[in-house]
Amino acid sequence: DADVTQTPRNRITKTGKRIMLECSQTKGHDRMYWYRQDPGLGLQLIYYSFDVKDINKGEISDGYSVSRQAQAKFSLSLESAIPNQTALYFCATSDLRGGGPDTQYFGPGTRLTVL
Amino acid sequence: GQNIDQPTEMTATEGAIVQINCTYQTSGFNGLFWYQQHAGEAPTFLSYNVLDGLEEKGRFSSFLSRSKGYSYLLLKELQMKDSASYLCAVDGSNTGKLIFGQGTTLQVKP
Repeated sequence: DADVTQTPRNRITKTGKRIMLECSQTKGHDRMYWYRQDPGLGLQLIYYSFDVKDINKGEISDGYSVSRQAQAKFSLSLESAIPNQTALYFCATSDLRGGGPDTQYFGPGTRLTVL
Repeated sequence: GQNIDQPTEMTATEGAIVQINCTYQTSGFNGLFWYQQHAGEAPTFLSYNVLDGLEEKGRFSSFLSRSKGYSYLLLKELQMKDSASYLCAVDGSNTGKLIFGQGTTLQVKP
């Protein structure tokens, strides 16, 4: 079973609709992240959370909100979707315990299309 | 500002060696990561450098020069399955927030 899962994997929606993307992990990591990826661009950080009570904005948080329901769950919401939010969305997790680098592990992605 | 530069595309031949460069300008430095991403799939971790020098992992090696703000990923004995995008990412602030380059798409030809 995958350590980081995202649902849905694909979603087509209309402008103005509210959309929630969900991320779950079984890695036991404290840190979770949401990124978007557009063709020809790198991954851009939307929001990140270092524990259940910690939520931080990334580079491109406008138009998005998040909820950290539990250590293992981190949801991304688009309150009123617009076409330029059409992108591939990735969730990632990481953990500093163990003394190694803070390596991020990515979920399979959600392809979102806003018409 | 913070910036990471990589070539957009590269082409190489099966069995050959290819070097993918990455230069960075960040306010701080706490390590550099390389990820591989096949089309439509999740990025997967390849390597991490925090000290100057070469880290070798099988066919893949990664080099870092902090004074030059420069890294490269070296892929040896190229295989067709190595066709993918390679993402360079810097932890610039010891906060776990990575800054990603736009990625280098490598095409391996027979």
